[in-house]
Amino acid sequence: GENVEQHPSTLSVQEGDSAVIKCTYSDSASNYFPWYKQELGKGPQLIIDIRSNVGEKKDQRIAVTLNKTAKHFSLHITETQPEDSAVYFCAATPNNAGNMLTFGGGTRLMVKP
Amino acid sequence: DGGITQSPKYLFRKEGQNVTLSCEQNLNHDAMYWYRQDPGQGLRLIYYSQIVNDFQKGDIAEGYSVSREKKESFPLTVTSAQKNPTAFYLCASSAPFRQGVRDGYTFGSGTRLTVV
Repeated sequence: GENVEQHPSTLSVQEGDSAVIKCTYSDSASNYFPWYKQELGKGPQLIIDIRSNVGEKKDQRIAVTLNKTAKHFSLHITETQPEDSAVYFCAATPNNAGNMLTFGGGTRLMVKP
Repeated sequence: DGGITQSPKYLFRKEGQNVTLSCEQNLNHDAMYWYRQDPGQGLRLIYYSQIVNDFQKGDIAEGYSVSREKKESFPLTVTSAQKNPTAFYLCASSAPFRQGVRDGYTFGSGTRLTVV
C-alpha cells in the first residue's frame, strides 16, 4: 500500500519568513495530494490540494509543488504569520484506493512573532 | 450549511464502561472514517465505511466497534476492551470517487475522550 513520509516533524520560523514542509510517497499511481491544517483542539481543514496533472498550485500565501518523478510534494508558506501556527498534514491517494487517503505523520509549525 | 458534526466535544469514561461517539454528516457523502489522534501524534485509522451497511477495520480497530445503518451517521463505540482509550477522536467523510475526480476529506471538530 501507499506510504507517506513527512518532514520535518517540527518547524519553527520567525514571523515573515517562509516555511517549507516536504512529503514523499511510495505509490507511483497516486494522483491526488491534499494538505490539511489542524489548529489546537480542532479537526483538520483542507487548505490546498494538487492533482498529478499539474506541477504547482498557488493560493495567496500558500503553494504546493509536485514532482512525480521523484515522488515528492511540498507545501510552501510565504510571509508567515502567527495564525499559521498549527499542525500540517500531507496526504496521498493511489488510483485504486477509492477516496482513501494515506496521511503523513504531521508537522508542527510554530511562527514566532 | 453542509458539514460534519461530532458530539459530544468532551467525554469522560469510567473504567470498564462502553461509550459511543456520534458522527453525523449532511454532505451526502458515501464514505465515512474514524481516526484516533494521541497528543503530538498523527492520525491513525480505526474504522471506515465506503457505503451504508458496510464497514472495514482500519489499522487500530481492536477495542472499537461501529455501525453504518444510515448514510448520514457513523457512530463509534469505545468498548471496555480498549485499554487506553484516552485520545482525540476525529470523524471524516468523503464524496465517492467519480470519473477520475478526487476530493479530500471533510473532518468533524473532534471528540476528546478521557478515562477517569
